Amino acid sequence: AQTVTQSQPEMSVQEAETVTLSCTYDTSESNYYLFWYKQPPSRQMILVIRQEAYKQQNATENRFSVNFQKAAKSFSLKISDSQLGDTAMYFCAFTDANSNTGKLIFGQGTTLQVKP
Amino acid sequence: DVKVTQSSRYLVKRTGEKVFLECVQDMDHENMFWYRQDPGLGLRLIYFSYDVKMKEKGDIPEGYSVSREKKERFSLILESASTNQTSMYLCASSGGGGGPETQYFGPGTRLLVL
Repeated sequence: AQTVTQSQPEMSVQEAETVTLSCTYDTSESNYYLFWYKQPPSRQMILVIRQEAYKQQNATENRFSVNFQKAAKSFSLKISDSQLGDTAMYFCAFTDANSNTGKLIFGQGTTLQVKP
Repeated sequence: DVKVTQSSRYLVKRTGEKVFLECVQDMDHENMFWYRQDPGLGLRLIYFSYDVKMKEKGDIPEGYSVSREKKERFSLILESASTNQTSMYLCASSGGGGGPETQYFGPGTRLLVL
């Protein structure tokens, strides 16, 4: 069975600095997708970034980038130039690319606070 | 923009009551999901549906049932609410076919069972 682990329950960063959130996963599949979702306080969960396992290049979306280490089964999220609006709970998630239902397996979440 | 709406943001129910949580999406998505979110446990899948009238159990289906009579609507039913079902419930939808698609989430329903 696939599992996703986020070992940092809470983190904080000063505004404008860089922070990295960790995620590890376990799977026997070779083709899969990994996601980072953001859940701001009292607001809807939204997708931050997505990585396809067969792509070696790390995904980037503006200030958000990932460090995808397939052999180590590690998928960390780097937030550059942190902003107050980045304060949220962040979830790492996995899905098997061979599944046509798109079921996601989530980590426990990391609460990030950006301090002014 | 994809829109996923849930019938209530907050709900308070008594133990033993039958509870209905409704979810509606407007993007003609085939797949719909119900999760519960608890501190330290992340999101856990309760049930999902990949087509009208089709459903599959997720990781924690006990005490829940679902209904999908129309493509855009997916209901979660607590047949007899219990205090251990106090939680945040999130609905999501995604397009089917081909490969995994991004899931779009509703705002969540925070349920308190007394």
